[in-house]
Amino acid sequence: DAGITQSPRHKVTETGTPVTLRCHQTENHRYMYWYRQDPGHGLRLIHYSYGVKDTDKGEVSDGYSVSRSKTEDFLLTLESATSSQTSVYFCAIKGRVRHEQFFGPGTRLTVL
Amino acid sequence: AQRVTQPEKLLSVFKGAPVELKCNYSYSGSPELFWYVQYSRQRLQLLLRHISRESIKGFTADLNKGETSFHLKKPFAQEEDSAMYYCALNLLQGGSEKLVFGKGTKLTVNP
Repeated sequence: DAGITQSPRHKVTETGTPVTLRCHQTENHRYMYWYRQDPGHGLRLIHYSYGVKDTDKGEVSDGYSVSRSKTEDFLLTLESATSSQTSVYFCAIKGRVRHEQFFGPGTRLTVL
Repeated sequence: AQRVTQPEKLLSVFKGAPVELKCNYSYSGSPELFWYVQYSRQRLQLLLRHISRESIKGFTADLNKGETSFHLKKPFAQEEDSAMYYCALNLLQGGSEKLVFGKGTKLTVNP
């Protein structure tokens, strides 16, 4: 599992509340990614990071922000959750030798 | 624009039948392609990378640059192959790297 964990694994929240999801890795990888997975849309990149304090937007970044203050943690924040952000969120890291990514177990978020 | 297309949302076959999951890509550079598999309610796992030309769990995939395709094939499907399959293209942009995924194909292998 490339030492990737996500927390929480499940969360139910209400519209308008802030939510922070955490991705933690133990192998000092430089690149980290946040995706959302939705039926009919596959995986879509929200934000990614290529180093501490270095982040960039993906294709569906509106309504999301990220922070990476240390190598091992990449946080995804929904400033004011909406029902359209109900999804399964996956974190990933990029392997060092090749270009494939390794995924965390996912966080199932429901916004009521 | 760089994109990955998986034309079939759903694919259903019987056990022992051949299976082919289609993937087409659009990319101006030299493509690097992967297949990922996701079993029910599990994390995505790397199945194949085109560079390695390997066979994993009986699956193979060949990059065809002329047809811009990277179809996944298995000669004899098994029930445990039932899963979501995603084709992905590695993008190199300005020193950063990211994957573009197709929308996925749900494979069901019937007994």
